[in-house]
Amino acid sequence: EPEVTQTPSHQVTQMGQEVILRCVPISNHLYFYWYRQILGQKVEFLVSFYNNEISEKSEIFDDQFSVERPDGSNFTLKIRSTKLEDSAMYFCASSEARIMNTEAFFGQGTRLTVV
Amino acid sequence: AQSVTQLGSHVSVSEGALVLLRCNYSSSVPPYLFWYVQYPNQGLQLLLKYTTGATLVKGINGFEAEFKKSETSFHLTKPSAHMSDAAEYFCAVSPYGGATNKLIFGTGTLLAVQP
Repeated sequence: EPEVTQTPSHQVTQMGQEVILRCVPISNHLYFYWYRQILGQKVEFLVSFYNNEISEKSEIFDDQFSVERPDGSNFTLKIRSTKLEDSAMYFCASSEARIMNTEAFFGQGTRLTVV
Repeated sequence: AQSVTQLGSHVSVSEGALVLLRCNYSSSVPPYLFWYVQYPNQGLQLLLKYTTGATLVKGINGFEAEFKKSETSFHLTKPSAHMSDAAEYFCAVSPYGGATNKLIFGTGTLLAVQP
């Protein structure tokens, strides 16, 4: 069964460093998303991406964050100058169409720890 | 603003007992509602969703949920719990009746099933 794959499963980084979280969405999907879950809190929407551009983003997704689909298969989330409060589980998701019409498939997550 | 409240961060049931996980939503327009499940070390998996039509929605693994507009609820039920149902369950809403393409999640309910 096709699945969304995220690497690495766990990333530890020093405060102030840049990290890139990687995702391989399902191959025929057109919509891509990043969500995050800070420990003990809700899963929060960060950004959605369609047709090679950001289609929607939350207030959390400020200039510190960027997304890219560099090669038609990977979908990355870059976090510049990481802060302690960026520590969270980051989930990538993809869908074939808009979510009311289809299912969004989620990866297993990357746990980011900023020290 | 749209939001989701899940009552009970931890629920424990005996094997064979009824599972009831509560979800209430806040939305100024007809919402699209979802239940996701997360098994250990896996991504979020869609259990079921309500968009329009029949208010009783059946999902995978014997789960179902009923959309009750008067109570602004979308509780998840299963008549008889199995050990394999132990997981974390997330209720989510798509705001503005699906006009946006993001999900707003609740804080999750961890379901334990006792033998």
